[in-house]
Amino acid sequence: QKEVEQNSGPLSVPEGAIASLNCTYSDRGSQSFFWYRQYSGKSPELIMSIYSNGDKEDGRFTAQLNKASQYVSLLIRDSQPSDSATYLCASPNTGNQFYFGTGTSLTVIP
Amino acid sequence: KAGVTQTPRYLIKTRGQQVTLSCSPISGHRSVSWYQQTPGQGLQFLFEYFSETQRNKGNFPGRFSGRQFSNSRSEMNVSTLELGDSALYLCASRSTEQFFGPGTRLTVL
Repeated sequence: QKEVEQNSGPLSVPEGAIASLNCTYSDRGSQSFFWYRQYSGKSPELIMSIYSNGDKEDGRFTAQLNKASQYVSLLIRDSQPSDSATYLCASPNTGNQFYFGTGTSLTVIP
Repeated sequence: KAGVTQTPRYLIKTRGQQVTLSCSPISGHRSVSWYQQTPGQGLQFLFEYFSETQRNKGNFPGRFSGRQFSNSRSEMNVSTLELGDSALYLCASRSTEQFFGPGTRLTVL
């Protein structure tokens, strides 16, 4: 079982819709979770961090964490074509090594 | 605060050569990690250094090595390059959150 798993997609949504990206993790001791956005040919960019159960909102982005279910998600409201990218979920395990999911490719269709 | 910097940004080498990549972390960050990214394999963890000591290591052959200096700057070395080593090599530094540099794109001919 991988430490962090994501739906590989690809995911396509129309402009203005909500994009929902999901991630599960295996280490119950993990305390922090991160979402990165990576445009083609560029390096990953940190867009959200979440440490507590519940929702964390930042502009059009909402991260949701459910530690009981070992599940973290990212919602992108009012999706824009500029949101088209690969989104990576990441978490350090109890050994403090960062693990990344394989990424979900999102395309926002104008 | 300046971000993570990597040099060089692009590199072309031939099989059998060796290469050294450099990374300067965000000021105050003592952890530096290296990743290899290829289109088919995604982000693959190479190793992490913390206060000049290798703290974690991924599943890469011994041709891949690294080190960290007292100022937290890090270098990664790949010896006896193979065609399959062509990739984007990413450095990341962290305290709690991890931030990536722009990467070095290595092409092996």
